[in-house]
Amino acid sequence: GEDVEQSLFLSVREGDSSVINCTYTDSSSTYLYWYKQEPGAGLQLLTYIFSNMDMKQDQRLTVLLNKKDKHLSLRIADTQTGDSAIYFCAESTSGGSYIPTFGRGTSLIVHP
Amino acid sequence: DTAVSQTPKYLVTQMGNDKSIKCEQNLGHDTMYWYKQDSKKFLKIMFSYNNKELIINETVPNRFSPKSPDKAHLNLHINSLELGDSAVYFCASSFIGGNTGELFFGEGSRLTVL
Repeated sequence: GEDVEQSLFLSVREGDSSVINCTYTDSSSTYLYWYKQEPGAGLQLLTYIFSNMDMKQDQRLTVLLNKKDKHLSLRIADTQTGDSAIYFCAESTSGGSYIPTFGRGTSLIVHP
Repeated sequence: DTAVSQTPKYLVTQMGNDKSIKCEQNLGHDTMYWYKQDSKKFLKIMFSYNNKELIINETVPNRFSPKSPDKAHLNLHINSLELGDSAVYFCASSFIGGNTGELFFGEGSRLTVL
């Protein structure tokens, strides 16, 4: 199987919360990331969490980490049409020189 | 000023041709990367250079040859292009091991091989 897995699609209504889930296999992962890719653009780091944290909140974004289950989630509150993009989960380890390994990305579609 | 810039943005060419994609970063980072994103949006690392030295070379055909003339540039040359090379190629840069490993990406170069 792949090192980082996430579902491919998520569709939500504007104003609802979106939750994008990710699982990873490397128990020595040090950092876990969420990147956002808008159409025709490169990836941009949205947020990251250090492996000794359970949760990180940044305005409308909440990241939850369950290290035991190797599960990472990104919750976007009050989702807007401008949040429509592909969201990539990624992880890095010190042994890998902190170079991220990416999942396949989740396409978030927000409709009015 | 664009932090990581790649040229060309679009490239359409015939099978068998040789082509290059250029990348430059003005962030002062010590490490640069090439990623390939296929039609299903899967993003896979191809190469990484740290201070002009190759540090990652994933299983990539040797038709692909990266060249880093200095820390700010990493170019990708592809010989004898094949249909399966059609993809979006992303350049990225970072400070390796310096902090969180955040990568800064260029906007991508869409290669179409006919």
